[in-house]
Amino acid sequence: DVKVTQSSRYLVKRTGEKVFLECVQDMDHENMFWYRQDPGLGLRLIYFSYDVKMKEKGDIPEGYSVSREKKERFSLILESASTNQTSMYLCASKYGYQPQHFGDGTRLSIL
Amino acid sequence: DAKTTQPPSMDCAEGRAANLPCNHSTISGNEYVYWYRQIHSQGPQYIIHGLKNNETNEMASLIITEDRKSSTLILPHATLRDTAVYYCIGDWTGNQFYFGTGTSLTVIP
Repeated sequence: DVKVTQSSRYLVKRTGEKVFLECVQDMDHENMFWYRQDPGLGLRLIYFSYDVKMKEKGDIPEGYSVSREKKERFSLILESASTNQTSMYLCASKYGYQPQHFGDGTRLSIL
Repeated sequence: DAKTTQPPSMDCAEGRAANLPCNHSTISGNEYVYWYRQIHSQGPQYIIHGLKNNETNEMASLIITEDRKSSTLILPHATLRDTAVYYCIGDWTGNQFYFGTGTSLTVIP
């Protein structure tokens, strides 16, 4: 089975901090994704990457950046965290046209 | 990408079949229909996907109408562990999944 691991299940940070969320997959998938999930809004795509060092903006990239230096690892970066970035963050990966596989999420609180 | 419409909530008796509908009237010919579910505090779990033909796996069956404007996910014998939010997604690349708010299924003992 595909395993997508997110580094933290819960994280608390302060406004203005630079925050790193890490995601690792073990199946050599070329495509990786970052979403945020908020009540009543479903999942919204922030960024995705289809290869090492490649990235594409999703629907809500403002305030975020990403890094993909190795195929198995995709990092989401909050450059200067704000309270409206308090959310559940989900990472996913996939191969070709196969379905996406998700991690269990990081619940991030910005105080 | 196809816009999908699902009822916000449904109940199903334990042991009975749960039939979850999805409307995707704008789906194009090369877009697959994917189904996921999400149990509280976990990431979405892939269930099944299909293009034109009905599909079945160990978790569920997917029935797609001939005109492809709608589909139904069937959980043949619902258990309490099937209580979750179920999402229907239409996409052809698999790279731009638009998750709406899904259907909250409650399996009742």
